[in-house]
Amino acid sequence: EVQLVQSGAEVKKPGESLKISCKGSGYTFTSYWIGWVRQMPGKGLEWMGIIYPGDSDTRYSPSFQGQVTFSADKSINTAYLQWSSLNASDSAMYFCARPLGGIAAHLDIWGQGTMVTVSS
Amino acid sequence: DIQMTQSPSTLSASVGDRVTITCRASQSVSSWLAWYQQKPGKAPKLLIYKASTLETGVPSRFSGSGSGTEFTLTISSLQPDDFATYYCQQYDTFTTFGQGTKVEIK
Repeated sequence: EVQLVQSGAEVKKPGESLKISCKGSGYTFTSYWIGWVRQMPGKGLEWMGIIYPGDSDTRYSPSFQGQVTFSADKSINTAYLQWSSLNASDSAMYFCARPLGGIAAHLDIWGQGTMVTVSS
Repeated sequence: DIQMTQSPSTLSASVGDRVTITCRASQSVSSWLAWYQQKPGKAPKLLIYKASTLETGVPSRFSGSGSGTEFTLTISSLQPDDFATYYCQQYDTFTTFGQGTKVEIK
């Protein structure tokens, strides 16, 4: 079964760092991009950007450039989203998803989401 | 950036109704448009891609049409499981989502 499995919910304080993960299975992980999507409470989907695990080529949406970092470890079929210093506005659900067919494509497989709560 | 605008934002309907949601792009995206269904606390689910191609396993009551800047998602006969929020996504240039349309029980 083709799937993406994300790490569990996180509760952090402002200023702390965080790295969440997205592990792919059932397909050749290094042959497909992985995208990240933010959904703030009660709001819509926002495209954060994308990483190619094969060579770690990365593209960020302008709104997220400099705010987060994407990385990947192809030896364990895992992509990561990290923050160096969280603030309350980073509280959201974060999804990883696989674009089928290239850097810009429909998203056929989604992770279950990781809820991030930032609160003092 | 390409902006995607969905209408309406909320739609009240009854089981059995025909429902249509519109998505407009700020510039042409050809047919590079997808539709997703999302239920509370769950990941979005792909329904339609390339404007009108039904994803495997999606009921045939869902259909998509359009090209260029105007697209529609139609549910021919609304079922209880269809009450959810629907998003369009353009993938002609990078990716942008519409703001969502919530389909609620009338």
